[in-house]
Amino acid sequence: GENVEQHPSTLSVQEGDSAVIKCTYSDSASNYFPWYKQELGKRPQLIIDIRSNVGEKKDQRIAVTLNKTAKHFSLHITETQPEDSAVYFCAASRITGGGNKLTFGTGTQLKVEL
Amino acid sequence: DAGVTQSPTHLIKTRGQQVTLRCSPKSGHDTVSWYQQALGQGPQFIFQYYEEEERQRGNFPDRFSGHQFPNYSSELNVNALLLGDSALYLCASSLGTTNEKLFFGSGTQLSVL
Repeated sequence: GENVEQHPSTLSVQEGDSAVIKCTYSDSASNYFPWYKQELGKRPQLIIDIRSNVGEKKDQRIAVTLNKTAKHFSLHITETQPEDSAVYFCAASRITGGGNKLTFGTGTQLKVEL
Repeated sequence: DAGVTQSPTHLIKTRGQQVTLRCSPKSGHDTVSWYQQALGQGPQFIFQYYEEEERQRGNFPDRFSGHQFPNYSSELNVNALLLGDSALYLCASSLGTTNEKLFFGSGTQLSVL
């Protein structure tokens, strides 16, 4: 089955700096890669996602890049703000007619310091 | 527009007992997935329901079972609880099984003593 590895497990940045979180996946058939943000005690929220036919996607301060050959994808957050502090999870899925099963990484605790 | 709702929010059980968790999907969604999130870990896929049938299943024992009702709501049942079943149980909904975007509920925190 799919295996997703995520690094780093913790990341501390100064407000205004950029943050990068990296994930690798094992199943070359995976075709969908979302990123979720989970604040303490709250639900995971989808912040950005990318399909395998796209190499990069951007939404304001957040961007995701995908390298299918190397089987890795990354989340980039620019101009970080204190409210970006949370746990971020990457995930991978092979979407078929039979369903969408997400395999998650182990999470990155991002702390944005003033 | 109601999002994904789960009940109860917290639950305490003892080993060997059985538990039922409930989920109502986001309005307009017809597919429900269940995930188990242990402390400090990413969510792990349990199973997905569509048209009242289990469509996909993760690596969980038969003690974990589910059901989907005609109104698309769903239940997760866990029998013969073990200490290791203590976790946050998340429900996610989507429109159709091939829809990429999953919307998660806030979860049920299950503690097994």
